[in-house]
Amino acid sequence: KQEVTQIPAALSVPEGENLVLNCSFTDSAIYNLQWFRQDPGKGLTSLLLIQSSQREQTSGRLNASLDKSSGRSTLYIAASQPGDSATYLCAVRNYGGSQGNLIFGKGTKLSVKP
Amino acid sequence: NAGVTQTPKFQVLKTGQSMTLQCAQDMNHEYMSWYRQDPGMGLRLIHYSVGAGITDQGEVPNGYNVSRSTTEDFPLRLLSAAPSQTSVYFCASADRPGAQETQYFGPGTRLLVL
Repeated sequence: KQEVTQIPAALSVPEGENLVLNCSFTDSAIYNLQWFRQDPGKGLTSLLLIQSSQREQTSGRLNASLDKSSGRSTLYIAASQPGDSATYLCAVRNYGGSQGNLIFGKGTKLSVKP
Repeated sequence: NAGVTQTPKFQVLKTGQSMTLQCAQDMNHEYMSWYRQDPGMGLRLIHYSVGAGITDQGEVPNGYNVSRSTTEDFPLRLLSAAPSQTSVYFCASADRPGAQETQYFGPGTRLLVL
């Protein structure tokens, strides 16, 4: 059974720091991996999607990498800002699973202090 | 283009009552899903649909029913509410298989069962 783990559960950094959020998964037979952002009391917003054949994706100050063989993904946030404060979730879609069937980690709660 | 909408935003039920959580999307997406989010448990898949008329169970389907009579709508029915169903419920949709598998989430319905 696929399990997705995110470490750390919470992270507090001063504004301007570069930071890395980690995601690991137990079954490397994934179709893709997505990183989401969730603000308090809100739904999830997709940040980046990495197909299993890709190694990384970039969007603005965000860069996500994928190493299927080791079962790891990282989300790199450059020059963090207070507006980046949120919970970040990663989710995988297994091969053979439908698009609606994502397996989520429990998230990393990020706080960026001014 | 409203994306994914959910109603109601908040609901209080008594044990044994039934209700329907509404979900609609205006992006002509084939794939729709229902997740519940609980503290310490992350998001877990309840039911999903790969198209109108087709539904399947996710990880935690017991106590919930779904149907998909149109592409746009995917209601979730609680047959006899229990306190264990107190949670935040999210509906999501995604397009056909391919490069653009981004999941779009609704704002959530907060359910309290007394």
